[in-house]
Amino acid sequence: AIQLTQSPSSLSASVGDRVTITCRASQGISSALAWYQQKPGKTPNLLIYHASNLESGVPSRFSGSGSGTDFTLTISSLQPEDFATYYCQQFNSYVQVTFGQGTRLEMK
Amino acid sequence: QVQLVQSGAEVKEPGASVKVSCKASGYTFTSFYMHWVRQAPGHGLEWLGINNPNGGGTSYAQKFQGRVTMTRDTSTSTVYMELSSLTSDDTAVYYCARARAASLLDFWGQGTLVTVSS
Repeated sequence: AIQLTQSPSSLSASVGDRVTITCRASQGISSALAWYQQKPGKTPNLLIYHASNLESGVPSRFSGSGSGTDFTLTISSLQPEDFATYYCQQFNSYVQVTFGQGTRLEMK
Repeated sequence: QVQLVQSGAEVKEPGASVKVSCKASGYTFTSFYMHWVRQAPGHGLEWLGINNPNGGGTSYAQKFQGRVTMTRDTSTSTVYMELSSLTSDDTAVYYCARARAASLLDFWGQGTLVTVSS
């Protein structure tokens, strides 16, 4: 199964900061990657799909890039509501999906 | 509006089985795959498998092969996930999630807490 490794596992930042989270796949997955945001006690929310496409309704400060094995999620200017845990998900084969271990974004 | 409503919390003894339901509404049930994902307390998301409501085809994560069964009932627009031989490591919130384009999880159920304890 394809493994996804996110870094960092946790991150402290301030409102207004630019933040980047990376996700590395154990083998090439083209652009079959999505990013989700999860707040405590809530279900995950789809942010980015196919590596760089912004989901409808998601603020434009979120962006994604990458292909093959290396991917990034960038938040251009952190807002208070962005403090959450972020997960990448690969779907190179839709019948064998995996998630990264998560990156917890905390307020500095 | 799309809604996925899951069954209530369960407490099971080690070695038992649990069956969680997920009733869909607000869209054409057979047009979207359904995934199952779990989250142990304080941990990340773990994918269990996928069910195709149109035909009933399934695929399971290798870790759960032989222990998980996913089914659906098109007459009630409900999918089911049954996990057997439970251990304390299976204590988690179990989610169903509708998939757009097969794998993009755009709507989630509210989650079902399964606690395995003697």
